[in-house]
Amino acid sequence: GNSVTQMEGPVTLSEEAFLTINCTYTATGYPSLFWYVQYPGEGLQLLLKATKADDKGSNKGFEATYRKETTSFHLEKGSVQVSDSAVYFCVIGNEKLTFGTGTRLTIIP
Amino acid sequence: DTAVSQTPKYLVTQMGNDKSIKCEQNLGHDTMYWYKQDSKKFLKIMFSYNNKELIINETVPNRFSPKSPDKAHLNLHINSLELGDSAVYFCASSPNANSGTPGRTQYFGPGTRLTVL
Repeated sequence: GNSVTQMEGPVTLSEEAFLTINCTYTATGYPSLFWYVQYPGEGLQLLLKATKADDKGSNKGFEATYRKETTSFHLEKGSVQVSDSAVYFCVIGNEKLTFGTGTRLTIIP
Repeated sequence: DTAVSQTPKYLVTQMGNDKSIKCEQNLGHDTMYWYKQDSKKFLKIMFSYNNKELIINETVPNRFSPKSPDKAHLNLHINSLELGDSAVYFCASSPNANSGTPGRTQYFGPGTRLTVL
């Protein structure tokens, strides 16, 4: 079956810092890759996705590139804001999604 | 104009009781899901229905029974509640699971926090 390993949290950064959250996976077949975000007290929402090798997903200043050779989908943002504080999930799959354990990110002013 | 809604938002109940959580989506999607999120935020799929037909049924105790009266609704009934059932339950929906289209986005509801005392 599929599995996802993502960076353990919590991660605390100052505003405007550079963010990387690492994610690697093992999968059978050719999964799509996603980052979902969960803001405090809310459900999950899609942040970005990539469906084939070398695709780059991007949204709200966040980016991640589907790296088939390294089975990775690392999330990056050049300058984080306080409003980016949330839990970030690396997710793989197509019909059935497999979630990473989530990384709690806190941005301090 | 909520896309995926769940009721109730909070549910506190005693061990041994039977309870239901309701989910509705107004996105016109064919596929709906139930997920369980534990206290460490780990999310795991429980069930998936496509056009009222069960397509994913993970290793879940048979005290949990999903019911889909139509493709816009997927309810979760739990019998004989146990302490370990305490969690946040999320409903989600996506376009047709059988379409073969990769990377279909799942849209999540706000969650139902179940506490079993």
